[in-house]
Amino acid sequence: QSVLAQPRSLSGSPGQSVTISCTGYTSDVGSYNFVSWYQSHPGKAPKLIMSDVSKRPSGVPARFSGSKSGNTASLIISGLQAEDDAEYFCCSYAGNYTYVFGAGTTVTVL
Amino acid sequence: EVQLVESGGGLVQPGGSLRLSCAASGFIFSNNRMTWVRRAPGKGLEWVANIKQDGSEKRYADSVKGRFTISRDNDRNLLYLQMNSLGADDTAVYYCVRDDGDFDHWGQGTLVSVSS
Repeated sequence: QSVLAQPRSLSGSPGQSVTISCTGYTSDVGSYNFVSWYQSHPGKAPKLIMSDVSKRPSGVPARFSGSKSGNTASLIISGLQAEDDAEYFCCSYAGNYTYVFGAGTTVTVL
Repeated sequence: EVQLVESGGGLVQPGGSLRLSCAASGFIFSNNRMTWVRRAPGKGLEWVANIKQDGSEKRYADSVKGRFTISRDNDRNLLYLQMNSLGADDTAVYYCVRDDGDFDHWGQGTLVSVSS
């Protein structure tokens, strides 16, 4: 149950795009299309913003999108807004009803 | 509205035990797997354990296997996490999470601090 690799931090100006990568293994990301993403603001509970690689839950802005290639999943934020300043975690199903999270990426809106 | 409210956190000495509870409302509790996720200070999220709808199957992270036990009471809409042999590495905010194939609702968390 190794942690999925994410860049520690990314930044962008309002209106720019950022892509957060999430690299796992053939035993998790590479084997299942069950990658989800969570947004975390300080002091608040994490919020689901992407499920099953690229499905946006109701209420999540369309500027958030997801994709996957091989053992790497990605969350793309197109048109950064101030409220996107947060920490983002990926999570993958790892088989046998177990899961593994990524290390987290802090996105700073400049 | 789905609500998950954790309780039972606090300060405990190394080697001690603690039981966390999570009161669920706003959905049919017995229809969902339930999960505990934790976040240690300065670290990322860590999946801890989950339990099948009827309680018949349980899964644990390697880091807690043999020390933690997840359970549920579907009559009272409660989820539990019994934590034994606690160590400093278990210090974290523990979240109760509804598992709908992904983790779509989270509680606010309860803080567990392991220190002498």
